Amino acid sequence: QQQVKQSPQSLIVQKGGIPIINCAYENTAFDYFPWYQQFPGKGPALLIAIRPDVSEKKEGRFTISFNKSAKQFSLHIMDSQPGDSATYFCAASTASKLTFGTGTRLQVTL
Amino acid sequence: DSGVTQTPKHLITATGQRVTLRCSPRSGDLSVYWYQQSLDQGLQFLIQYYNGEERAKGNILERFSAQQFPDLHSELNLSSLELGDSALYFCASGLAADGEQFFGPGTRLTVL
Repeated sequence: QQQVKQSPQSLIVQKGGIPIINCAYENTAFDYFPWYQQFPGKGPALLIAIRPDVSEKKEGRFTISFNKSAKQFSLHIMDSQPGDSATYFCAASTASKLTFGTGTRLQVTL
Repeated sequence: DSGVTQTPKHLITATGQRVTLRCSPRSGDLSVYWYQQSLDQGLQFLIQYYNGEERAKGNILERFSAQQFPDLHSELNLSSLELGDSALYFCASGLAADGEQFFGPGTRLTVL
């Protein structure tokens, strides 16, 4: 019940495309849903986060869509750039314990 | 740069040994979290300290222990090391007992 399922495992898009990464969870006690970006050899960097009372949140080119009834949330990256090539992790938290998805390796080609 | 620092960056040691990983949180943050990242297990929460007290525990082995000192820096101690303990160990910090967590650059541990 603590799992967070993330898909796809990898994704290749062209520059300017809109990659979408999806996550699903089971535990309804989760109350905080962040997304992290990780470059090789670096720590995960917090990108954007949402709480379950909101259905969408935008920060710059990054948008989270949240569907509480379906227990799903997704990350959209608008106008993707080669510099966005990284691994993206969704996570869900209850009482501060983050449970991470398995990650999506995104490659943005020219 | 998240403002969280971790030392050392790399650590190579042998099975059966003991190591200590160090983390300094962002200025003002009271919470420190430890995570392990490995290829087969992904990112796993180990333990959280808040203002010097243990607050939450995850998948932390009995051979591992942590503490947070009065100046809020934290140490993760790994003992009786096994080959399977080879991984990246991340520290994260946050202002509150829950909410946003900011990760450090990690310590890469290799057990030979």
